[in-house]
Amino acid sequence: GAGVSQSPSNKVTEKGKDVELRCDPISGHTALYWYRQRLGQGLEFLIYFQGNSAPDKSGLPSDRFSAERTGESVSTLTIQRTQQEDSAVYLCASSPRAPSYEQYFGPGTRLTVT
Amino acid sequence: GDSVTQMEGPVTLSEEAFLTINCTYTATGYPSLFWYVQYPGEGLQLLLKATKADDKGSNKGFEATYRKETTSFHLEKGSVQVSDSAVYFCALSAGGTSYGKLTFGQGTILTVHP
Repeated sequence: GAGVSQSPSNKVTEKGKDVELRCDPISGHTALYWYRQRLGQGLEFLIYFQGNSAPDKSGLPSDRFSAERTGESVSTLTIQRTQQEDSAVYLCASSPRAPSYEQYFGPGTRLTVT
Repeated sequence: GDSVTQMEGPVTLSEEAFLTINCTYTATGYPSLFWYVQYPGEGLQLLLKATKADDKGSNKGFEATYRKETTSFHLEKGSVQVSDSAVYFCALSAGGTSYGKLTFGQGTILTVHP
């Protein structure tokens, strides 16, 4: 079946602009996670959604970052007033139940802030 | 906080060589440990896991043993193939309320030549 998909695959934006990144999880997966990977570093947890429960936002680095998910479907990560340090690959993952360490990752969105 | 440290790469081997990628961790409590792999053009996927001390995870000829005394989870394979060329990530889940939030190492690029 279809895996996790993310769009766009690449995004170049100017400093100060807002960006939206989209994640389509595997159908039927109740949990959805966002991670960030800066160049040369490991993945950093950002936020996770579990069904209709309140999301765990403990990894969001600042109030410029927010994410939404409607039910068990698509999620959008929004970064407002982008800064150069936001440049990274943003990865989305989903799992059939939550919480779970067995997460299925998408290909990522490479964000470059100029 | 929790952290994972992997040996610096990249690692370049000839086919049929022995592989070791070192991984050590820092965590409170008793984390679960994982190796994830990212093949070229694909998303990260779980390779193997160990959920308690002295457990050995294994898959596709790869093995790793959870060593609590040395806080390590080194990945090994006796005879690598060209198809093993990928980026390997060591990760942990601290459990409890953090279960599902994965903490990753920075990744090790493995290239296997024929």
